[in-house]
Amino acid sequence: DQQVKQNSPSLSVQEGRISILNCDYTNSMFDYFLWYKKYPAEGPTFLISISSIKDKNEDGRFTVFLNKSAKHLSLHIVPSQPGDSAVYFCAASLTGTYKYIFGTGTRLKVLA
Amino acid sequence: DTAVSQTPKYLVTQMGNDKSIKCEQNLGHDTMYWYKQDSKKFLKIMFSYNNKELIINETVPNRFSPKSPDKAHLNLHINSLELGDSAVYFCASSLRTGSWNLAKNIQYFGAGTRLSVL
Repeated sequence: DQQVKQNSPSLSVQEGRISILNCDYTNSMFDYFLWYKKYPAEGPTFLISISSIKDKNEDGRFTVFLNKSAKHLSLHIVPSQPGDSAVYFCAASLTGTYKYIFGTGTRLKVLA
Repeated sequence: DTAVSQTPKYLVTQMGNDKSIKCEQNLGHDTMYWYKQDSKKFLKIMFSYNNKELIINETVPNRFSPKSPDKAHLNLHINSLELGDSAVYFCASSLRTGSWNLAKNIQYFGAGTRLSVL
């Protein structure tokens, strides 16, 4: 039973344009969400997170949006850069469990 | 200076063998984790230790045994390796549990150990 889903396995975007990566979850009890970036042969690196009490969090070129009613979150990267090419994982967590439930990732390719 | 380091990076072995993967973190974190990423790219939690105490133990075969000699180290020992154990295993650490503020418990990952069982 996959509680966190990333339905797009891959995405290609032109340099300078916006990249939008999507993530859906099924458990309405999740109250903390994260995005990780992963380069080949490296471990996932924390990118940005959002608590369920917010609907938006920004950090530089990265913004995460949370729509609790739709159980959906998205990561916007503006402007996209070739160095952003990586696999992006969303994860969900529940206070008190300290477990992250990961999606299967979306491979982003930013074309120069 | 690597924050979370795993050894070895690659491990190729025969079915039935016993092997260990080591993990060390120099971040001063209290909690460490083992994840398995299978061929379908699912990244799933296996175990977690907080200050050498087991706090998460997912449905994992008994052949997998974590050992935490101190809070900076979490090793994974696998007995009687099977073909299905082939995967990438990631170690991670976070500051502490016991805090209701999940922002204080961001997990930091090692580079992974690619295990191939032949």
